[in-house]
Amino acid sequence: EAGVAQSPRYKIIEKRQSVAFWCNPISGHATLYWYQQILGQGPKLLIQFQNNGVVDDSQLPKDRFSAERLKGVDSTLKIQPAKLEDSAVYLCASSLSGLTDTQYFGPGTRLTVL
Amino acid sequence: GENVEQHPSTLSVQEGDSAVIKCTYSDSASNYFPWYKQELGKGPQLIIDIRSNVGEKKDQRIAVTLNKTAKHFSLHITETQPEDSAVYFCAAWDTGGFKTIFGAGTRLFVKA
Repeated sequence: EAGVAQSPRYKIIEKRQSVAFWCNPISGHATLYWYQQILGQGPKLLIQFQNNGVVDDSQLPKDRFSAERLKGVDSTLKIQPAKLEDSAVYLCASSLSGLTDTQYFGPGTRLTVL
Repeated sequence: GENVEQHPSTLSVQEGDSAVIKCTYSDSASNYFPWYKQELGKGPQLIIDIRSNVGEKKDQRIAVTLNKTAKHFSLHITETQPEDSAVYFCAAWDTGGFKTIFGAGTRLFVKA
């Protein structure tokens, strides 16, 4: 079974630039999550989709971050404009259906904002 | 909302010894507690989880215990091996926010 795919794996940008991350969840998984993991900390949920709909985006900085899940499958997370404090690993995860089902994580995208 | 505290932040053990990582949570209604292992350059991977209807769960060298009264849960790894070296995260289900809240992580070093 293929795992969660993410791209790119690494990205370096300057502050005020924009960046986009892509995630392809495990086939058949209805729930998709985007987490931000700052160095030395645990993952923090940014947004959670169930199929096409947003379940929770309370911790997404909506003035600069946006996310969408096309046709209930792939998802993109965008930051515009980026700030220095956005430097982190952005993890995508998916689960079969229920919110307490096992979450399977992708390898993450390491973002460095200079 | 849910708050998860994890200790210690770093743990070093000799190969073959046991390792224990402890977590506390604040949401008394929380009913799901997963543990994740994260190796360098990889995403977290679920290693074991426990739901509130049981007090202990084992899977080979790994066990988790849950004390709902005290609102704490622990991960026990026996007969540690160098490949157990990684960062371990505890997590708890936030019943108000319908999301998983992670602890800050424990970096485990197993010395050969």
